[in-house]
Amino acid sequence: ETGVTQTPRHLVMGMTNKKSLKCEQHLGHNAMYWYKQSAKKPLELMFVYNFKEQTENNSVPSRFSPECPNSSHLFLHLHTLQPEDSALYLCASSQDGRRETQYFGPGTRLLVL
Amino acid sequence: GENVEQHPSTLSVQEGDSAVIKCTYSDSASNYFPWYKQELGKGPQLIIDIRSNVGEKKDQRIAVTLNKTAKHFSLHITETQPEDSAVYFCATDNTDKLIFGTGTRLQVFP
Repeated sequence: ETGVTQTPRHLVMGMTNKKSLKCEQHLGHNAMYWYKQSAKKPLELMFVYNFKEQTENNSVPSRFSPECPNSSHLFLHLHTLQPEDSALYLCASSQDGRRETQYFGPGTRLLVL
Repeated sequence: GENVEQHPSTLSVQEGDSAVIKCTYSDSASNYFPWYKQELGKGPQLIIDIRSNVGEKKDQRIAVTLNKTAKHFSLHITETQPEDSAVYFCATDNTDKLIFGTGTRLQVFP
């Protein structure tokens, strides 16, 4: 266990649904990240939060909406997704938002029908 | 922006043999080079990292070497075991974020 948990582990949703992914870290870190992992592509950084403030939005479509209520919790709200959004969504945390070791959760496997 | 190339994309070795995965990067300002291992159904886990002030780092059967002049770094696994089978990712830092390679699927056959 890395100290980063994600729920749900698997999610199937239709294009008109609204769902949320949850991430929680128990490491006392101040920075949290959302990544998208698709087959045969590098990990794509989506969002970065440092001390609850969003410091990076990597040109992510507005159908993905992050929320960071505190340094331990991170959400990704999903609405009107497309089939090409199907992927593994990984959450990570680090001591701060600089070039430090990141610890990943197990991911949420998302399938959009 | 920073570009990280990783080779090979797949690697099959016999148990007990060595495995080497190589990454090249483009930004000479990069200073941090981690390697992650991702097993089936899990997120990537850090296995070893190196910073630019050293050329080599070793931890039991794994080692990482860095050549800053040539802008490449490599992961070396000796005496491979079936449990080493996984996807391995290199990464490097770039303006406060990590840029990952495309991954290498390592299969170790008993």
